[in-house]
Amino acid sequence: GQNIDQPTEMTATEGAIVQINCTYQTSGFNGLFWYQQHAGEAPTFLSYNVLDGLEEKGRFSSFLSRSKGYSYLLLKELQMKDSASYLCAVAPRESGYALNFGKGTSLLVTP
Amino acid sequence: DGGITQSPKYLFRKEGQNVTLSCEQNLNHDAMYWYRQDPGQGLRLIYYSQIVNDFQKGDIAEGYSVSREKKESFPLTVTSAQKNPTAFYLCASSLGPGDTEAFFGQGTRLTVV
Repeated sequence: GQNIDQPTEMTATEGAIVQINCTYQTSGFNGLFWYQQHAGEAPTFLSYNVLDGLEEKGRFSSFLSRSKGYSYLLLKELQMKDSASYLCAVAPRESGYALNFGKGTSLLVTP
Repeated sequence: DGGITQSPKYLFRKEGQNVTLSCEQNLNHDAMYWYRQDPGQGLRLIYYSQIVNDFQKGDIAEGYSVSREKKESFPLTVTSAQKNPTAFYLCASSLGPGDTEAFFGQGTRLTVV
């Protein structure tokens, strides 16, 4: 697979803002995906960045910098239900554009 | 309603037996994928298929086999050659490879007893 790195765990307080970073080492891909996965469930799509810059979607925003091989997911006004794993993924040309995932960041939101 | 369905949700297998996990989608998607997830780990790609009658190995294909005889179906067989098959298996599909979101099935939790 590709080298996609994310922090293993993060903790944040309800109502706060948290930024989950992702770095990757591939250049030939269409865009970068973020997924949310609650324990024991399937991942669900959050965002897709094709161009550099910030994409905002409600409480969630995602940023991409292709030149730096870097992305982040920003979660605002955290709620308890946001406690989940957040997975960064790219679909590189060298793997036939199959979606490759990082190991995910487990986010715990505390009261 | 369109969606992607995996069955069964829980599966127990005796050591040394082959077992086939089902994945069906009615989203008219060309691309389908199989992933394996172990506790505390991300999703690792087993096999993928971008079109009917064609599939490619992913990062951890050893001990697994697939077929893609129909657009809607992409079954995964876990063979006795897979050394550590106990895991959560996820199937996904997308309209095309790499540029559209993938939709996931509910997953199959396989336990070898």
